Amino acid sequence: SQKIEQNSEALNIQEGKTATLTCNYTNYSPAYLQWYRQDPGRGPVFLLLIRENEKEKRKERLKVTFDTTLKQSLFHITASQPADSATYLCALEKGGGNKLTFGTGTQLKVEL
Amino acid sequence: NAGVTQTPKFQVLKTGQSMTLQCAQDMNHNSMYWYRQDPGMGLRLIYYSASEGTTDKGEVPNGYNVSRLNKREFSLRLESAAPSQTSVYFCASSEGTVNTEAFFGQGTRLTVV
Repeated sequence: SQKIEQNSEALNIQEGKTATLTCNYTNYSPAYLQWYRQDPGRGPVFLLLIRENEKEKRKERLKVTFDTTLKQSLFHITASQPADSATYLCALEKGGGNKLTFGTGTQLKVEL
Repeated sequence: NAGVTQTPKFQVLKTGQSMTLQCAQDMNHNSMYWYRQDPGMGLRLIYYSASEGTTDKGEVPNGYNVSRLNKREFSLRLESAAPSQTSVYFCASSEGTVNTEAFFGQGTRLTVV
């Protein structure tokens, strides 16, 4: 069955550094992949969508790459700030209808 | 513009009780979804509705029913609650069914005792 893996351990980095989060998947070739941010007690908030024919996508301080050969997406936050502290979820479309399969998320903590 | 609104925010049920979780969106989206989120499991799709008048099962539909009342509203019903249904439930909507972001509600935290 399809499996999505994100680092379960929290990622702690210093303010101003670049945070890099990893999403690996197996047994599927999604047409697109999405990244969401989730704060405690809140619903996920969409950040970026990248299609299978796109290698890289940027939005302000965010950058996502999508390597369909490695079956991996990397999510980068440059010049990180304490306000970036949250859990970041990777999601793959599966079976059409924009039905998403989510990873368990990686908690990011940006320290002063 | 409220986006996706879920009610209630919190609920405690006894085993065997029934309840309906309500969801409404004001973005004129065609598609709506119900997910549950459990520790260490990620979000899992329960049911979805690609458009008004249609519903279909997701990954974990057992023990649930849904109704797409109109384009705005999509409700989730637990007919006989079980402790295994203790979870945080999220409703989401999207404009279409391809290459489109999903908008989530704030969630309903349900505890079944």
